[in-house]
Amino acid sequence: KNEVEQSPQNLTAQEGEFITINCSYSVGISALHWLQQHPGGGIVSLFMLSSGKKKHGRLIATINIQEKHSSLHITASHPRDSAVYICAVSEGSQGNLIFGKGTKLSVKP
Amino acid sequence: KAGVTQTPRYLIKTRGQQVTLSCSPISGHRSVSWYQQTPGQGLQFLFEYFSETQRNKGNFPGRFSGRQFSNSRSEMNVSTLELGDSALYLCASSWTGRGRATGAAYNEQFFGPGTRLTVL
Repeated sequence: KNEVEQSPQNLTAQEGEFITINCSYSVGISALHWLQQHPGGGIVSLFMLSSGKKKHGRLIATINIQEKHSSLHITASHPRDSAVYICAVSEGSQGNLIFGKGTKLSVKP
Repeated sequence: KAGVTQTPRYLIKTRGQQVTLSCSPISGHRSVSWYQQTPGQGLQFLFEYFSETQRNKGNFPGRFSGRQFSNSRSEMNVSTLELGDSALYLCASSWTGRGRATGAAYNEQFFGPGTRLTVL
């Protein structure tokens, strides 16, 4: 079993839809990261959470430490949101992230 | 501040050769981590350097090595290249903060654009 599990693996949505991507982990963590990767490879850090909820524009990330679960929500989705979204966890102060397999999101106009 | 830079961006090598990739972190960041991304295995941690010392290492063979210089720039080297080493190699630089809920220290990581290595 992978230490970080994401669902769904693939997601197709219509423009304007509300999107949720889920992440569950089985290890103790110091922080959970949501990353975005566009075709071409570059990775952008969207959120880093150790508790509660964070919001940037149309993106919202939540984490439940007790349930070892996090969700990434995208409101009013847009075709430019099409990307792979990756959940990753850090186990301490050291820089080794453990990654989920990613969720490939495609938003159709 | 300038972001994380990686050179070269693309590289083609043949089996048996060796390769050196370079990563310049964000100014002031002392930690550099390296990751390998392949379609089959996804993203995997290679190693982390902090203040010129390897602080953590993933589960990769000894053909993969790295180092960090006094200006925090880092290089990784892969010797005796194999076809399976074809991948996107990403580095990330980081600072350390503390989580409000746990009090544990954590790293916010900033990724470079990657070096795409093709081994023929």
